[in-house]
Amino acid sequence: DAGVTQSPTHLIKTRGQQVTLRCSPKSGHDTVSWYQQALGQGPQFIFQYYEEEERQRGNFPDRFSGHQFPNYSSELNVNALLLGDSALYLCASSLTVGRIYGYTFGSGTRLTVV
Amino acid sequence: AQKVTQAQTEISVVEKEDVTLDCVYETRDTTYYLFWYKQPPSGELVFLIRRNSFDEQNEISGRYSWNFQKSTSSFNFTITASQVVDSAVYFCALPETSGSRLTFGEGTQLTVNP
Repeated sequence: DAGVTQSPTHLIKTRGQQVTLRCSPKSGHDTVSWYQQALGQGPQFIFQYYEEEERQRGNFPDRFSGHQFPNYSSELNVNALLLGDSALYLCASSLTVGRIYGYTFGSGTRLTVV
Repeated sequence: AQKVTQAQTEISVVEKEDVTLDCVYETRDTTYYLFWYKQPPSGELVFLIRRNSFDEQNEISGRYSWNFQKSTSSFNFTITASQVVDSAVYFCALPETSGSRLTFGEGTQLTVNP
């Protein structure tokens, strides 16, 4: 049973560019959440998608946007990249009520902005 | 707002020692869940344990055990007879009642030396 798959694993971008990160949820999961984890810190919630709509959003600017497709996979887009966007981006999938059934995380995409 | 505090930034032990990781949380919810995750160098967050607030019975699962005390808002995690493979960053996390976002602590870096 495949877990959460994220691509690419590593990415280097130049300040001001745009980036798209991808996530395929665990089989049977319908909800996808994205987290940003800066070096030495805990993951910070960016947003969550359910039924192809953004259900909740953390304290991140509009440069961060996302999408969920009918097959439940998801994309995270970041525009006008800043040096401070360098981080590990983690995708987590769950059934609707994640706190009861648990969350499965991918290995993340390491984004470096230079 | 919810908050999770892991006061121990780094812990270093020798193999076979027992080690306890501390977690203190804040929430206004009357019922809630708490999680512990392990993050090895590969980056993936690996689920370890989940506990709900209406069951304060402490349990043991293999080398893992946890001590949940609602009165002090603490959810401590113990590894018995630590092994080198236990070396990782450990996160305590608190999901919102809605099941959307997880609030993470800053993590504790555990190093188990041979």
